[in-house]
Amino acid sequence: NAGVTQTPKFQVLKTGQSMTLQCAQDMNHNSMYWYRQDPGMGLRLIYYSASEGTTDKGEVPNGYNVSRLNKREFSLRLESAAPSQTSVYFCASSEEGSGMGNQPQHFGDGTRLSIL
Amino acid sequence: QKEVEQNSGPLSVPEGAIASLNCTYSDRGSQSFFWYRQYSGKSPELIMFIYSNGDKEDGRFTAQLNKASQYVSLLIRDSQPSDSATYLCAAGGGADGLTFGKGTHLIIQP
Repeated sequence: NAGVTQTPKFQVLKTGQSMTLQCAQDMNHNSMYWYRQDPGMGLRLIYYSASEGTTDKGEVPNGYNVSRLNKREFSLRLESAAPSQTSVYFCASSEEGSGMGNQPQHFGDGTRLSIL
Repeated sequence: QKEVEQNSGPLSVPEGAIASLNCTYSDRGSQSFFWYRQYSGKSPELIMFIYSNGDKEDGRFTAQLNKASQYVSLLIRDSQPSDSATYLCAAGGGADGLTFGKGTHLIIQP
């Protein structure tokens, strides 16, 4: 059982380049989330999707876009990467369909992104 | 904005002793509380969740919740070097969804 799978695991970009981070879950979960984790800042929510067909902004959405492609897949896009977006990005999923945070979230292994 | 506060540590505990990790939260509407363990360079791993006041035990781990004091704790009995990690507390169910604390760095000394 793979759980939550993220690709790529590592990426180096130049300022202004674009890229998409991919996430897929095989647990039939309703909700999916994108977080970034920076030293001293903890986990911060970028965007989430409470159910297929819906997306909502989290705490730090600026500079990002998301797509809930289907129930399994939730992608995060950086249109014009900036050095401030250097971070570790985690995708997570949860059974709940409300985005309220009442159910445990299960995390992927993360994408380590460096922007030069 | 909901806040979850944890002492960043490091908290140093001798092997075999009880490690006690604490967390406070600001939103009284929070209903669900989670503890995650994160090893350096790895992703957060769920170890406990608690919804009701009182204690919940799972093996060497006990989660404690006091909603009146807005306080959550995690006890690790018979601490092992493999328990050395950062422990993240999270509170959910309120208006702002799930909010994570910044974590407590735990070191178990052999």
